[in-house]
Amino acid sequence: DVKVTQSSRYLVKRTGEKVFLECVQDMDHENMFWYRQDPGLGLRLIYFSYDVKMKEKGDIPEGYSVSREKKERFSLILESASTNQTSMYLCASSWSNTEAFFGQGTRLTVV
Amino acid sequence: EDQVTQSPEALRLQEGESSSLNCSYTVSGLRGLFWYRQDPGKGPEFLFTLYSAGEEKEKERLKATLTKKESFLHITAPKPEDSATYLCAVPPSNDYKLSFGAGTTVTVRA
Repeated sequence: DVKVTQSSRYLVKRTGEKVFLECVQDMDHENMFWYRQDPGLGLRLIYFSYDVKMKEKGDIPEGYSVSREKKERFSLILESASTNQTSMYLCASSWSNTEAFFGQGTRLTVV
Repeated sequence: EDQVTQSPEALRLQEGESSSLNCSYTVSGLRGLFWYRQDPGKGPEFLFTLYSAGEEKEKERLKATLTKKESFLHITAPKPEDSATYLCAVPPSNDYKLSFGAGTTVTVRA
């Protein structure tokens, strides 16, 4: 079975902190994605990566950055956390043109 | 512009009452349509991939079908454990990241 693992299920951080969300997949997938999900807004793509060290902005990249130093790992970085970044964060991975598999999600609260 | 629209937004069913969810898309040159189930507080769980019109896939009480403009997820004789939000997604015509619909939240009452 494909496994996508996110480092934390729940996280509480203070405004202004730098926050790292980690994601690891075990299927040698080329593509990895970070989404956030908010009530009424659905899944919105923050960033994605189609290869090691390659990244592209999604629909809402402002306030975020990413890092992919190894194929299996994709990190989302909140440079200076703000309360409007309180959300559910979802990591996913896929091969090209195939279904994506998701992690269990990280519920981030910024206070 | 490529779009994915799901309807209805919410569906309340009695246990055993079959129904269908709709996912319509405007992507040209479809390269796959994917259905997911999402339980509250969890990540989406992959259900089906459909690639061409006329294709059908089944899993327990769920059956997904595909036409040239839309896909249906049929829930036959649902049980309370089928309560979830069902999402569909397609890769846009000029890209490989997924466009998701807003989802249909299904509630099945015993």
